[in-house]
Amino acid sequence: ELKVEQNPLFLSMQEGKNYTIYCNYSTTSDRLYWYRQDPGKSLESLFVLLSNGAVKQEGRLMASLDTKARLSTLHITAAVHDLSATYFCAGAPAGTYKYIFGTGTRLKVLA
Amino acid sequence: SAVISQKPSRDICQRGTSLTIQCQVDSQVTMMFWYRQQPGQSLTLIATANQGSEATYESGFVIDKFPISRPNLTFSTLTVSNMSPEDSSIYLCSVETSRDTQYFGPGTRLTVL
Repeated sequence: ELKVEQNPLFLSMQEGKNYTIYCNYSTTSDRLYWYRQDPGKSLESLFVLLSNGAVKQEGRLMASLDTKARLSTLHITAAVHDLSATYFCAGAPAGTYKYIFGTGTRLKVLA
Repeated sequence: SAVISQKPSRDICQRGTSLTIQCQVDSQVTMMFWYRQQPGQSLTLIATANQGSEATYESGFVIDKFPISRPNLTFSTLTVSNMSPEDSSIYLCSVETSRDTQYFGPGTRLTVL
């Protein structure tokens, strides 16, 4: 059974700093997803990672996937206050469409 | 992407009653999903709803408690039956598109007193 773990659970960082959120998963996952959720809002799709070594970037966020290590990372470059949100990673067990979500990382960027 | 709407957006209900949540998509999709997000928690999949077949429930969720309908390719309902305070959560529907990503509705915030 696929299990997805994220760390850290909470992250408070200064504007302009860099940081990485880690997403580990326990068994083979066809795909790895990153979502953003603002307070009281739904989930916004950020990245879809489909293969080993995949790297995607959007603005100050960059996501990567290492299927051998069963690890995905979400790197934040020069954080700004607008990035404050909860970030979730999710995996999909091989051959299924079911998403298994990580615990989420609550990010707060301080001015 | 897909545009998804849910009704109601929020509700406050009494213990022992039932609430039906509607999910409408702006395009035809094969697979729809229902998730629960308890306060401050992550998302947990309740069931997968495919048109023309019975919903498939995940471990810990049963049809008697969470009956689901999927009458066509753009619509689904989730009923939360015989509610208790432990059912207070956000319920989200999502759809899988051909772009291999699930898109989520805005959610229904349910409070059970």
